[in-house]
Amino acid sequence: DGGITQSPKYLFRKEGQNVTLSCEQNLNHDAMYWYRQDPGQGLRLIYYSQIVNDFQKGDIAEGYSVSREKKESFPLTVTSAQKNPTAFYLCASFRGVREVNTEAFFGQGTRLTVV
Amino acid sequence: GQQVMQIPQYQHVQEGEDFTTYCNSSTTLSNIQWYKQRPGGHPVFLIQLVKSGEVKKQKRLTFQFGEAKKNSSLHITATQTTDVGTYFCAGPWEYGNKLVFGAGTILRVKS
Repeated sequence: DGGITQSPKYLFRKEGQNVTLSCEQNLNHDAMYWYRQDPGQGLRLIYYSQIVNDFQKGDIAEGYSVSREKKESFPLTVTSAQKNPTAFYLCASFRGVREVNTEAFFGQGTRLTVV
Repeated sequence: GQQVMQIPQYQHVQEGEDFTTYCNSSTTLSNIQWYKQRPGGHPVFLIQLVKSGEVKKQKRLTFQFGEAKKNSSLHITATQTTDVGTYFCAGPWEYGNKLVFGAGTILRVKS
């Protein structure tokens, strides 16, 4: 079945550590996005990529890094520079924001907690 | 810059009552999408509206896209407990290819 997979579902990080969240899709989508969601809040865009080997900063990119070496994969690294990383992280993919009959597919999310 | 505003932020209704959430953009949108996120879950696509003045229905849900393509609404008739969750609207950013989400409306239904 086609879909988008995030792992792990839960992640605990010690202060000062970098951690990497995985996002893989087999939908052949060009666009992949990372969002952060805090309790009771909306979705804030961290990074997005429209094509392999290219990505752009979103609204809250500080303290995060990404890579897009393969079309199927868009991992997110939460670095030690991110001062408040505890949140729910969502990865999404879709064909293109301006296309008709397009929709964003979201992964199940990764809940990151700093301990 | 472009903003997508969504109201209300939160609504608590009695089961059987109607519910409406509104989405307003500061710029004209080529299309607008609606998503539902159940508590503890991830957003799931509901619908995309493309045409000016478009109205689409999905059972008890009615979606509208304004004539100027700058606002949209989602109306739920006779809410049920299965409707609980957060409803988001989203539209393309005017200067590029990123998808901009509204802040969402949290719906709680009392049985």
